Amino acid sequence: GAGVSQSPSNKVTEKGKDVELRCDPISGHTALYWYRQSLGQGLEFLIYFQGNSAPDKSGLPSDRFSAERTGGSVSTLTIQRTQQEDSAVYLCASSPGGGINQPQHFGDGTRLSIL
Amino acid sequence: GESVGLHLPTLSVQEGDNSIINCAYSNSASDYFIWYKQESGKGPQFIIDIRSNMDKRQGQRVTVLLNKTVKHLSLQIAATQPGDSAVYFCAENIRGNTPLVFGKGTRLSVIA
Repeated sequence: GAGVSQSPSNKVTEKGKDVELRCDPISGHTALYWYRQSLGQGLEFLIYFQGNSAPDKSGLPSDRFSAERTGGSVSTLTIQRTQQEDSAVYLCASSPGGGINQPQHFGDGTRLSIL
Repeated sequence: GESVGLHLPTLSVQEGDNSIINCAYSNSASDYFIWYKQESGKGPQFIIDIRSNMDKRQGQRVTVLLNKTVKHLSLQIAATQPGDSAVYFCAENIRGNTPLVFGKGTRLSVIA
């Protein structure tokens, strides 16, 4: 597609369950980012992939959070043993990469609700 | 601590007036700044960007001003329209293609 695509758009699950969130970046973009946005707040960085380099995981809030990017394209963010404080909108963004300042383009996010 | 913040959490303007949204940043090493618009239920949408070697950049009905001396960024929207109602975020980047640091956002409400 032309933009960043995320699925599902909404996810409701019970506390303690695992969830997987998917991101399809813009074709050709080598940089991919995950952010989290809590209600009425700004965006909080989670993890960043650039090409084949090791991901920058410095923003992950706990070891229950992990992400992978297969084939340099699609990325999956996994949250294990979900807690109520994990409820938020999870946003994915991509950019062309290459060390040049370029805007990041965002998907519409996955709204995660933990019951 | 938070590197990017906003002076005004909410802003109400009359349709047709100009809007100015302000942002302060604290990291003098930041060299790239972006304004995003976020409508309800949507992801942030790129509006305009500016590099640290510039003071001003204009787009369609929008202008971004950068004052590096006082670490201040502003977004000016000319002839504000109802469709401009949204939350606006500024974001900064320390170097190319690294995670952005966002402020909490300003809600712009346009009064018809």
